[in-house]
Amino acid sequence: KQEVTQIPAALSVPEGENLVLNCSFTDSAIYNLQWFRQDPGKGLTSLLLIQSSQREQTSGRLNASLDKSSGRSTLYIAASQPGDSATYLCAVGSYNTDKLIFGTGTRLQVFP
Amino acid sequence: EADIYQTPRYLVIGTGKKITLECSQTMGHDKMYWYQQDPGMELHLIHYSYGVNSTEKGDLSSESTVSRIRTEHFPLTLESARPSHTSQYLCASSETIDIAGELFFGEGSRLTVL
Repeated sequence: KQEVTQIPAALSVPEGENLVLNCSFTDSAIYNLQWFRQDPGKGLTSLLLIQSSQREQTSGRLNASLDKSSGRSTLYIAASQPGDSATYLCAVGSYNTDKLIFGTGTRLQVFP
Repeated sequence: EADIYQTPRYLVIGTGKKITLECSQTMGHDKMYWYQQDPGMELHLIHYSYGVNSTEKGDLSSESTVSRIRTEHFPLTLESARPSHTSQYLCASSETIDIAGELFFGEGSRLTVL
């Protein structure tokens, strides 16, 4: 059974720092991995989708990498801003299920 | 940008009332989902659908029911709301059917049952 873990659970940093959020999964037979952002009381916004054949995806200040063999993905946020404050979730699509498996999220606070 | 809409965004009702949370998407996606999320907690899949006339129960048992009469519409109904149903309900859709594809979410419906 696929399990997805995110570390750290919470992170508080000053503005301008470069950040790395981690996502680990137990079954490497994945189809894709998706990173989301969730603001308090809101739905999830898709940030990046990495297919299993890809190593990384980039969008603006965000870069997500995927290492299937080690069961890990990282989300790199460059030059963090207070507007980046939110909860970041990763979700894994596996071949043995047609549903995404979500991690528990990393709650990020960027202070001025 | 995803075109998936949920109404109402906020709802406060008394115990025993029947409520329906609406979810519509204009992307023509076959697969749709309902997730339940308590504040600060993880998402739990409660219902999903592969397409018209298809409904499946998710990983978390729920007293709610769903229907899928039209591709674009996936409403969730609680026949008799209770305080334990207080939560945020998130609707999502994806293009693929057989394997989990990119997921698009609505803004959510926050339900409070007094």
